[in-house]
Amino acid sequence: SQQGEEDPQALSIQEGENATMNCSYKTSINNLQWYRQNSGRGLVHLILIRSNEREKHSGRLRVTLDTSKKSSSLLITASRAADTASYFCATDASGNKLVFGAGTILRVKS
Amino acid sequence: NAGVTQTPKFQVLKTGQSMTLQCAQDMNHNSMYWYRQDPGMGLRLIYYSASEGTTDKGEVPNGYNVSRLNKREFSLRLESAAPSQTSVYFCASSEGNRWEKLFFGSGTQLSVL
Repeated sequence: SQQGEEDPQALSIQEGENATMNCSYKTSINNLQWYRQNSGRGLVHLILIRSNEREKHSGRLRVTLDTSKKSSSLLITASRAADTASYFCATDASGNKLVFGAGTILRVKS
Repeated sequence: NAGVTQTPKFQVLKTGQSMTLQCAQDMNHNSMYWYRQDPGMGLRLIYYSASEGTTDKGEVPNGYNVSRLNKREFSLRLESAAPSQTSVYFCASSEGNRWEKLFFGSGTQLSVL
């Protein structure tokens, strides 16, 4: 079963625009992680936010966490063609095992 | 550093055949994992190993076995492949025994006919 669900399923934007992806989850968590997957490759860890944190930044990435709404968002600012990938949220509920959502497919057009 | 290395990258099996997927990491990580990825379903955990000598079932363990051969290597075996096991398989590792900052291999695309 999936703990996290991303929204939208797919997103297409122009280079230079911002991209926002959302993740909702069902049960309490200790942390939430975001990963990127380029076509035909393995997942790459982007950022981890703990349950007592509300916002975290890493370069052009900004992640927010709202534990009252059980949701998180990933914002990519000034997107580039190289940001084209699938983005997954993962939560550590379910016996502390890491559970992944189905992902958001981001396409950045140049 | 190579990170997490998986072999083979592609494999085609006939129903009932067996095979072993190999995984090795060179980061001295304690924990290793096997996930499968199917379209529209994200990644699902098959088995994991929190340390050398221990293995535990994940969400979808049926039809699979694993061996943590040493700290570096964690193999996944399909004893009698079925078409439902057609998938992309990913091995991952992480430092310590926390489910944080997993490093993934590039995957094995398996087709069972």
